[in-house]
Amino acid sequence: DSGVTQTPKHLITATGQRVTLRCSPRSGDLSVYWYQQSLDQGLQFLIHYYNGEERAKGNILERFSAQQFPDLHSELNLSSLELGDSALYFCASSAQRVLGYTFGSGTRLTVV
Amino acid sequence: ELKVEQNPLFLSMQEGKNYTIYCNYSTTSDRLYWYRQDPGKSLESLFVLLSNGAVKQEGRLMASLDTKARLSTLHITAAVHDLSATYFCAGNNDMRFGAGTRLTVKP
Repeated sequence: DSGVTQTPKHLITATGQRVTLRCSPRSGDLSVYWYQQSLDQGLQFLIHYYNGEERAKGNILERFSAQQFPDLHSELNLSSLELGDSALYFCASSAQRVLGYTFGSGTRLTVV
Repeated sequence: ELKVEQNPLFLSMQEGKNYTIYCNYSTTSDRLYWYRQDPGKSLESLFVLLSNGAVKQEGRLMASLDTKARLSTLHITAAVHDLSATYFCAGNNDMRFGAGTRLTVKP
């Protein structure tokens, strides 16, 4: 257990639907990062939050949004889902960048 | 925006052989990370390289960083089957990743 908790582990939904992925960072980590990994692809950086504030945006679609709550957990909302959104979604947390980042086990989203 | 390029993307090795994976990045990055990912699994941190000339070793893996050349290397010594995985490098504040190197070690 890395200490970063992602729920749900698996999610199957239909096109056009909306889902919410949840991430609880390691205790004490203020930063949360979201990544998308499509089948046999690298990791695409989506967004970074630090202590509730958005710090950076990557290749995040307008249909996707995220937020970090006062208790530091984060949610990634994916709407108007398309088949191409099927992927593994990882979050990672960090206390200090010199120590690296810890990844959760991911949420596997399948859009049918 | 930082661009990270890894090569090779696919690597098939014989057990006992040595090889190096290269990670080039496009702009200044004050640190470089290496991760390992097994199929369908999460990413495991291998190394964090913080400065020019940094070298870190863990078992059969050794990573180095040359910030002037914007290059990091991951050297594999005497490969064993257990090292089969995908290896990613990442740099910059938001950890932009390379495409990954899929390593297969064959007996």
